[in-house]
Amino acid sequence: QQQVKQSPQSLIVQKGGISIINCAYENTAFDYFPWYQQFPGKGPALLIAIRPDVSEKKEGRFTISFNKSAKQFSLHIMDSQPGDSATYFCAAQGGDKIIFGKGTRLHILP
Amino acid sequence: DTGVSQNPRHKITKRGQNVTFRCDPISEHNRLYWYRQTLGQGPEFLTYFQNEAQLEKSRLLSDRFSAERPKGSFSTLEIQRTEQGDSAMYLCASSFSLGGAEAFFGQGTRLTVV
Repeated sequence: QQQVKQSPQSLIVQKGGISIINCAYENTAFDYFPWYQQFPGKGPALLIAIRPDVSEKKEGRFTISFNKSAKQFSLHIMDSQPGDSATYFCAAQGGDKIIFGKGTRLHILP
Repeated sequence: DTGVSQNPRHKITKRGQNVTFRCDPISEHNRLYWYRQTLGQGPEFLTYFQNEAQLEKSRLLSDRFSAERPKGSFSTLEIQRTEQGDSAMYLCASSFSLGGAEAFFGQGTRLTVV
């Protein structure tokens, strides 16, 4: 049973554009929602995270939007740059283990 | 380097052989996780430790897999009688045990079973 569903699988965005990745979760016990960025040959690295008591969190060019009633959250990357090209994973955590989505491979065209 | 360290980075083994991976977490972290990642997929949870206690094991962790964290510091993951389906990246992460604490991942051990 996949507890965190992520879309799209891949995304191509022009430099300077907005990249949007969406996730949905099932388990209402989740109380922490991180996004991870992974480059080839590296382990995932935390990018930004949100708790369900807020609807939006912004850090630089990265914003998480959270809809608790719909059990959905999304990552927005503003002014996307070629260096943002990577695989992005949404995740959900409920006190112990972290459950990951299947990932979105993002490619920013120069 | 004070990050999570995993060794070896790469391992090629013949089917049927046993392999062991090591993870050295960030020293202050009392929680340690093992994940498996196959190509094009997200990391899948295998098991985690709170100090030296193994608190949860995934159904993915068959009897051929065993993990230890004997002194609550480094951890080892052993796979016995490896199969081709075991080929994957094995990731280790560590964190504080507070809810929502950031998990820091190592660079992983890529296992290829031939």
